[in-house]
Amino acid sequence: AQSVTQLDSQVPVFEEAPVELRCNYSSSVSVYLFWYVQYPNQGLQLLLKYLSGSTLVKGINGFEAEFNKSQTSFHLRKPSVHISDTAEYFCAVIPSGGYNKLIFGAGTRLAVHP
Amino acid sequence: AAGVIQSPRHLIKEKRETATLKCYPIPRHDTVYWYQQGPGQDPQFLISFYEKMQSDKGSIPDRFSAQQFSDYHSELNMSSLELGDSALYFCASRPQGAQQYFGPGTRLTVT
Repeated sequence: AQSVTQLDSQVPVFEEAPVELRCNYSSSVSVYLFWYVQYPNQGLQLLLKYLSGSTLVKGINGFEAEFNKSQTSFHLRKPSVHISDTAEYFCAVIPSGGYNKLIFGAGTRLAVHP
Repeated sequence: AAGVIQSPRHLIKEKRETATLKCYPIPRHDTVYWYQQGPGQDPQFLISFYEKMQSDKGSIPDRFSAQQFSDYHSELNMSSLELGDSALYFCASRPQGAQQYFGPGTRLTVT
């Protein structure tokens, strides 16, 4: 069975600092990988996705993630965060080829301080 | 571009009442998923439909049922509501391909 581990439940960071949100997955098959952002009292917005091809994926709002198959990781990075990036971030997987349900990690709360 | 529509956006019910949540997928998306997100929790898969047939089932209570209609919209019916059913309920739709497109969610509060 697939599972997703987000290693940090909360990440505090100062504005304009770089940030990395960590995500590891376990799966015996290939997976599709996603990062979603959820602002307070709002829905889920797709930040970026890895389906195939280049392991470095660029998303919206200056975020990027790198798929590392050997380490089964898909860490999210941003070189300089803004106050407006304060939100909950969810890593999620789908076994490739199955188009099945998304399996989410527990989420990481990114808190950007001035 | 058209997005996934969910109605109502907010719903307040009392214990033991019934609730119906509706989801209108993006046109030409043939698969619909339902997820439940409790307070401070990650979204959990409930059920999905492909071409109006149930395609997968997660940890959905027996008190809940769902269906997808001929126009591809879906309804989640919840009976004998409990306080623990208070959550944000998301619908997502998918065309051919892996990416799911999420609606804004319905916030259900059970008092």
